[in-house]
Amino acid sequence: DIVMTQSPVSLPVIPGEPASISCRSSQSLLHRNGYNYLDWYLQKPGQSPQLLIYLGSIRASGVPDRFSGSGSGTDFTLKISKVEAEDVGVYYCMQALETPMTFGQGTKMEIK
Amino acid sequence: QVHLVESGGGVVQPGRSLRLSCVASGFMFNQYGMHWVRQAPGKGLEWVAMIWIDGRNKNHADSVKGRFTISRDNMKNTLYLQMNHLRVEDTAIYYCAKDRGPGMVEGDFDYWGQGALVTVSS
Repeated sequence: DIVMTQSPVSLPVIPGEPASISCRSSQSLLHRNGYNYLDWYLQKPGQSPQLLIYLGSIRASGVPDRFSGSGSGTDFTLKISKVEAEDVGVYYCMQALETPMTFGQGTKMEIK
Repeated sequence: QVHLVESGGGVVQPGRSLRLSCVASGFMFNQYGMHWVRQAPGKGLEWVAMIWIDGRNKNHADSVKGRFTISRDNMKNTLYLQMNHLRVEDTAIYYCAKDRGPGMVEGDFDYWGQGALVTVSS
């Protein structure tokens, strides 16, 4: 199975400031079609997870443009240009290259 | 508007069975792969199973293989998870999730249900 590792585990943030989360996979997520099969999800407190980014850098429908995904191969980053209070929750990266799909352990973002 | 509504959760003793259902609306159910993802209390997310649009092709996580079976009824717009030989470690919220891609399984989950809590305890 592909192992996904996120950092940091906890991320205190100040509204209006940028934030970033790293995700590393134990093997390349680059498909021969040129896409990286890496997703980002946010689980807000008390809610179901929601898709933020798929194929490494494509924002899902309705996701604000302050969220961006980058990276290739085994190293990926989720960036929030200016954090808002509604962005708090646990962020997960997940590889969608092969089954079983596997998630990182999560990064808990809280307002400082 | 896409809606996924799970039901069938509850408290069950180890070794017993339970069947979860997920009723879908707001999209062409028979055109999308579907998944089950679970989350143990206070823990992270774990993919459990997926099923292709025709219902014949399925994959299950090793942790549930041979005990859980995913299925679907495209006429009823409903996804199922039959859970047999339940273990204490199966205790979790079980989410059904819609695959992003029409016609083929992309492996991403663009809509999630609210979840059904399954508690396995003696």
